Amino acid sequence: NAGVTQTPKFRVLKTGQSMTLLCAQDMNHEYMYWYRQDPGMGLRLIHYSVGEGTTAKGEVPDGYNVSRLKKQNFLLGLESAAPSQTSVYFCASRPTAGNTDTQYFGPGTRLTVL
Amino acid sequence: TQLLEQSPQFLSIQEGENLTVYCNSSSVFSSLQWYRQEPGEGPVLLVTVVTGGEVKKLKRLTFQFGDARKDSSLHITAAQPGDTGLYLCAGANYGGATNKLIFGTGTLLAVQP
Repeated sequence: NAGVTQTPKFRVLKTGQSMTLLCAQDMNHEYMYWYRQDPGMGLRLIHYSVGEGTTAKGEVPDGYNVSRLKKQNFLLGLESAAPSQTSVYFCASRPTAGNTDTQYFGPGTRLTVL
Repeated sequence: TQLLEQSPQFLSIQEGENLTVYCNSSSVFSSLQWYRQEPGEGPVLLVTVVTGGEVKKLKRLTFQFGDARKDSSLHITAAQPGDTGLYLCAGANYGGATNKLIFGTGTLLAVQP
């Protein structure tokens, strides 16, 4: 049981390049989330999904797209990377059961856009 | 927009000292969670508080949820170097159209031996 895994761990992009971050969970969780973490700003929600085939916008969705084609995977895409997207990206998942559910986080992807 | 402000932002103390971290909002949350994050890793849940006024203890850590469910505090007694990390509070309003956590700005704690 690996929990939540993220690929890649580190990436450097040039402005305008595109990339996809992959999040996978093996806990059969319905809900999945993508956050970005910047110094002094905590974690900010980019997009989330309440089930396979569904996605919804979070607090800071601009410049990102997501897809949830399979229940266990949640992909985050950057179509044209900008320096402002330099950040650490975290994926999380949780079951749907209740109000107190834990979110389980992956180890993060550190992205630098030059 | 719901916001959670944490204070202090940074805290550097000596081993054995006590400390309190605060998490404040003008919004009501149905529950509040505290996470700890170590360098290079994702946040890990410490506790969830649900009832206004609730107090939970986890060894040397005491968590309190405000009566109005708008604020929370984390008190650490006799801090140890192993307590070093980023502490994040997060307000939850799961259910209906909202299924997400609102994270606080974080408190970076360094405990010197």
